[in-house]
Amino acid sequence: SQELEQSPQSLIVQEGKNLTINCTSSKTLYGLYWYKQKYGEGLIFLMMLQKGGEEKSHEKITAKLDEKKQQSSLHITASQPSHAGIYLCGADPSSSGTYKYIFGTGTRLKVLA
Amino acid sequence: EAQVTQNPRYLITVTGKKLTVTCSQNMNHEYMSWYRQDPGLGLRQIYYSMNVEVTDKGDVPEGYKVSRKEKRNFPLILESPSPNQTSLYFCASSTTGDGYTFGSGTRLTVV
Repeated sequence: SQELEQSPQSLIVQEGKNLTINCTSSKTLYGLYWYKQKYGEGLIFLMMLQKGGEEKSHEKITAKLDEKKQQSSLHITASQPSHAGIYLCGADPSSSGTYKYIFGTGTRLKVLA
Repeated sequence: EAQVTQNPRYLITVTGKKLTVTCSQNMNHEYMSWYRQDPGLGLRQIYYSMNVEVTDKGDVPEGYKVSRKEKRNFPLILESPSPNQTSLYFCASSTTGDGYTFGSGTRLTVV
């Protein structure tokens, strides 16, 4: 079965610093989704990547899907305390879109003011 | 406002007492899903539904039941809850080409 591994597991950065979170799949990704979760709360959808080489940005967050479609990175520029939380990548293992999503175990981000 | 609504937010119950966690979405989404989130194990899918009357097991379906009689509702039923079902539960919905929209979560404790 397909697995998603995220690195690092946790990250503490000073406000204003850039950071990158990685999501690596054991199999080809047909759709890669990034979510943010505040502790104990629901997940907020950030962005979706489907094509190899695709890159999307939302405010100061940029996500890329590599050409081989087995790894994605999430980059935050000039981090702020509001960026703190858990970042999760999710994927649909099927090319036909079953929505039987799997998720990585998450990266906990803390931003020090 | 487009949203997925779960109820209750918090629930403490005793072993063996049947319970239902409700989930409703107002976006006319075809796909709905239930996940549980546990420390160190991440999010694991319990059941999902691709449309009305179409449901399928996820990775951890044991001890749970679901039904999808209407497009907007996807309740999660625990017929005989046990302590190992203590967890944070999320309902989510989606449509083709989009990510899941998640509910706020239900924190269940079974004693």
